[in-house]
Amino acid sequence: EIVLTQSPATLSLSPGDRVTLSCRASQSVSSSSLAWYQQRPGLAPRLLMYDTSSRATGVPARFSGTGSGTDFTLTITRLEPEDFAVYYCQHYDSSPYTFGQGTKLQIK
Amino acid sequence: QVRLVQSGADVKKPGSSVRVSCKASGGTFSNDGFSWVRQAPGQGLEWMGGIIPVFGIGNYAQKFQGRVSITADVSGSTVYMDLKDLASEDTAVYYCAREGGLSGTKGFDSWGRGTLVTVSS
Repeated sequence: EIVLTQSPATLSLSPGDRVTLSCRASQSVSSSSLAWYQQRPGLAPRLLMYDTSSRATGVPARFSGTGSGTDFTLTITRLEPEDFAVYYCQHYDSSPYTFGQGTKLQIK
Repeated sequence: QVRLVQSGADVKKPGSSVRVSCKASGGTFSNDGFSWVRQAPGQGLEWMGGIIPVFGIGNYAQKFQGRVSITADVSGSTVYMDLKDLASEDTAVYYCAREGGLSGTKGFDSWGRGTLVTVSS
């Protein structure tokens, strides 16, 4: 089973800030098999990025993803108020399709 | 986009079983992939297993092997998740999510609203 470790667990930032979230895999993951999700309180997760760097339908251009092998990142260039949420990475390289434990973005 | 409508919240006794349903519309049901993901209160996301209806065989995380069964009713465009031998640790919101299936997985692009299952004596 591939274990995904996200860091940091919590970030305190201000609107307008730039942020980079990290997701590290316990073994190499195909770059065509890594996704990022956003989850706001009380709502289902929302797909942001798939195949490491492809934005899902309707996702603003301020979100971008990079990475390969065991290290992947999600960058948000200018935080909007609605971006303060929890972010999860997930691989779908092989079963089980595990998730990272999440990074919470909170307002400073 | 595929719409997923899940069954309502449920309360179960320890040791019992629960069935959660997920009705899909707007996609190619048989060829899509459907997974179940759960989230305990205040915790992260946990993939339980999935199915591609045209194949009809569930694929499960080892943690849930022997306790979970995921099935699909093609005629009703509905996926089911059965979980038995419930314990308090199974109290969670259970989500149904859709991915590309035969078209290839590109993340889980549609999600149901979630079904809260509470296990309590």
